[in-house]
Amino acid sequence: GEDVEQSLFLSVREGDSSVINCTYTDSSSTYLYWYKQEPGAGLQLLTYIFSNMDMKQDQRLTVLLNKKDKHLSLRIADTQTGDSAIYFCAETANYGQNFVFGPGTRLSVLP
Amino acid sequence: DTGVSQDPRHKITKRGQNVTFRCDPISEHNRLYWYRQTLGQGPEFLTYFQNEAQLEKSRLLSDRFSAERPKGSFSTLEIQRTEQGDSAMYLCASSKPSHQETQYFGPGTRLLVL
Repeated sequence: GEDVEQSLFLSVREGDSSVINCTYTDSSSTYLYWYKQEPGAGLQLLTYIFSNMDMKQDQRLTVLLNKKDKHLSLRIADTQTGDSAIYFCAETANYGQNFVFGPGTRLSVLP
Repeated sequence: DTGVSQDPRHKITKRGQNVTFRCDPISEHNRLYWYRQTLGQGPEFLTYFQNEAQLEKSRLLSDRFSAERPKGSFSTLEIQRTEQGDSAMYLCASSKPSHQETQYFGPGTRLLVL
C-alpha cells in the first residue's frame, strides 16, 4: 500500500523556525495535508496543498512540495511554545476519500 | 459550525464486551469517515459514508466491526467481542460536498479494552 514517512522528533528554540519533513510514495497524490494534534485532542487541519502547486504560504506556515522527489515540508516561522504538538503529514489520491497519514512528528519548543 | 462531535470521549470495557461509538458530523457535511489511531501512530482509515451509503471499507475493518449511518446524519461504529488489540483512539471526520478534499476531525473516542 501507499506509505507516508516522517521523522519522529524535532526540537527547536522559541522564536526559531521549525521545518518538518515528509516523504510519500503515491505518485498519484492529489492533495497533501498538514494536521496538528495536541495531547488528548483530535486533529486540527493546518493547511493543505494541491499537487500541481509547489508552495503555499499562510501566515507563519509555509508548505513546500517537491513532486518529483515526493517530498513535502512544513515551515513554521517564529515558533512558539503553543506550537508544541504532533504534526501529521497526510495524502489522498482520490480527491478526499481515504487519507494516508504519516506517523507524526513530535515538535518540542524549548524556551 | 459546531464541529464534529463524538460520544463517549472515553470508554473502558472488558475483553469480549460489545461497544458502540457515535459521531455527529458538521451539519450539511455529506461525507463521514472513521479512522483508528494507536499510540505513536498516525490515523488509519477504516471506512467512509457518502450520505447513508457506506462506500469504502478498509481491510482493517474486521467482521467484528460494523458502521452505520442510517439517515445520512450521525454515524455509529460498533465493535463486537472486543479484544485488547482494539484499544485505540477512534476518530471521526466529515467533509462537505463543495470541499470534499478537506476533512474536519472530531476529538475522538479513546477505547481501552482490559
